[in-house]
Amino acid sequence: AQTVTQSQPEMSVQEAETVTLSCTYDTSESDYYLFWYKQPPSRQMILVIRQEAYKQQNATENRFSVNFQKAAKSFSLKISDSQLGDAAMYFCAYLNAGGTSYGKLTFGQGTILTVHP
Amino acid sequence: EPEVTQTPSHQVTQMGQEVILRCVPISNHLYFYWYRQILGQKVEFLVSFYNNEISEKSEIFDDQFSVERPDGSNFTLKIRSTKLEDSAMYFCASSGPVGVSYEQYFGPGTRLTVT
Repeated sequence: AQTVTQSQPEMSVQEAETVTLSCTYDTSESDYYLFWYKQPPSRQMILVIRQEAYKQQNATENRFSVNFQKAAKSFSLKISDSQLGDAAMYFCAYLNAGGTSYGKLTFGQGTILTVHP
Repeated sequence: EPEVTQTPSHQVTQMGQEVILRCVPISNHLYFYWYRQILGQKVEFLVSFYNNEISEKSEIFDDQFSVERPDGSNFTLKIRSTKLEDSAMYFCASSGPVGVSYEQYFGPGTRLTVT
């Protein structure tokens, strides 16, 4: 079974600074996707960024980028120029893209990000 | 921009009662999911649904749970006899339209409180 681990229960950052959230995962599959979801206080789950395992290039979405280390099974999220609106719980998630996949997302425990003005 | 909607936003029910949580997935999506999140904990997969049948379910999804797509737009989760431990946020998600597109879009959730 796949597992996702976020070892940082809480992180904080000053506005306009950069912060990195860590995520590791365990899988024996070779074809999978990784995601970061943001959950603000409203508790809505918002997709931030995704990474296909077969792609070596790290995904980037505006101020959000990932550092995907497939051999190390590591998938960290970097938020540049942090804004007050980035404050939220961030979840790392894994999805097996293989033949037996039916779309089950496996989530980590989450990291609460606080942004200080 | 298309979005997943869920009703009600908050439901309070007594232990032993049946509840139905409703979702309207994005219209051209083919794959539908339910997840739950107990307060302060991680999001857990319950069930996936495709082509009018369950594709995969977790061990949480026991005989007390059922899902249905009663028409072309709604996707429902029924809990037959609620327990206190069913209190959680329930999220519906959808993906598609062709194959499993791997990007699941979540609704705003229904907060279920069982008293």
